[in-house]
Amino acid sequence: QVQLVESGGGLVKPGGSLRLSCAASGFTFSDYYMSWIRQAPGKGLEWISYISNSGNTIYYADSVKGRFTVSRDNAKKSLYLQMNSLRAEDTAVYYCARGRAFWSANYYFDYWGQGTLVTVSS
Amino acid sequence: QSALTQPASVSGSPGQSITISCTGTSSDVGGHNYVSWYQQHPGKAPKLMIYDVSNRPSGVSNRFSASKSGNTASLIISGLQAEDEADYYCSSYTSSSTWVFGGGTKLTVL
Repeated sequence: QVQLVESGGGLVKPGGSLRLSCAASGFTFSDYYMSWIRQAPGKGLEWISYISNSGNTIYYADSVKGRFTVSRDNAKKSLYLQMNSLRAEDTAVYYCARGRAFWSANYYFDYWGQGTLVTVSS
Repeated sequence: QSALTQPASVSGSPGQSITISCTGTSSDVGGHNYVSWYQQHPGKAPKLMIYDVSNRPSGVSNRFSASKSGNTASLIISGLQAEDEADYYCSSYTSSSTWVFGGGTKLTVL
């Protein structure tokens, strides 16, 4: 069965950095686009980034552009999010989510991890 | 990209039907048929309930249906059950090759 397991969250000071990981299993990771989506405490969902199956195409939300970098290692079946210059407003649960297969035209997220909490505070 | 507009809360009694609206623009909801809906129980990850405006993934109850008219999408839950109490989010792919979510709607089953 499809599983996505995030890790790497924790407490970091404003201006600091953190790297999140998402380990995938149960499907051919290299075939799928992947996204990061976050949820601030008590707030709604916010899409922040996606990366194509090959890693050649990447998009970011304006709120994180220039500060966050998404990458993937298909051999390790892993997705990453490098977060720099963190701000208090980046405090959230970060989810990785599976997007479309490279051959499909689907634009939804069918599997989500359980999330990892990032807290930015001094 | 501004968030899609959803009502903050809706409620209904067991067995009744409710509708949750999701209003966007011609750059997202109204621009194509890539609207999806997610259910989220407290402390849990979101679950895909509807994709491509009105399609249900395998395993999702047929009590859940959805539609779209212009820039507004709607999720309809019929035969309300206690287990339906959750937060619901709409989402749309956009003309900028990004995604936008609605602010979320808290469904209370009375």
